[in-house]
Amino acid sequence: DGGITQSPKYLFRKEGQNVTLSCEQNLNHDAMYWYRQDPGQGLRLIYYSQIVNDFQKGDIAEGYSVSREKKESFPLTVTSAQKNPTAFYLCASSIKTGLPEAFFGQGTRLTVV
Amino acid sequence: QQQVKQSPQSLIVQKGGISIINCAYENTAFDYFPWYQQFPGKGPALLIAIRPDVSEKKEGRFTISFNKSAKQFSLHIMDSQPGDSATYFCAASSTSYDKVIFGPGTSLSVIP
Repeated sequence: DGGITQSPKYLFRKEGQNVTLSCEQNLNHDAMYWYRQDPGQGLRLIYYSQIVNDFQKGDIAEGYSVSREKKESFPLTVTSAQKNPTAFYLCASSIKTGLPEAFFGQGTRLTVV
Repeated sequence: QQQVKQSPQSLIVQKGGISIINCAYENTAFDYFPWYQQFPGKGPALLIAIRPDVSEKKEGRFTISFNKSAKQFSLHIMDSQPGDSATYFCAASSTSYDKVIFGPGTSLSVIP
């Protein structure tokens, strides 16, 4: 089955530690995105990538980093510089950027204690 | 100018009633308007979408109405069911942009 796989579903980390969230897609999509969702909030764009080895900052990139070494993979690292990292993180992909038919993963809920 | 406004923030509808969610945008370059449905703990899923060259699109119980001159569009859920209880996001995009702009979301609760 084609789709987007995020792992793990739940993640707990101690304050001050970096943590990497995994996102893999087998849809052959060029574009991939990371969003952050807080309770009762909309989707805020962290980073996006239009093509392998290229990515751009979204609206709230501070404290986060990404890489796009393979078309299928777009991992997100939440660094210790992110002041309030506890949130629900969503990865998405689309055939190319700007197309609204984005497919979302099931999300990773990160809790920093 | 890239903002998409959405109202209401939350909505409670009785089973069988009509749920209406409204969105507005400023940038006339937007040319595609999708709606996403998100259940708790899950990722959003594309529900229905419309282009500005049509004023209405219907898929089952879900209808998008589009008013190009007012730069507004809305989602109507007919015969609302408890299973429709979810958060709904409107969005806007354009081939000129490399991002999809999401509204803040509406939490819908359909009560029996």
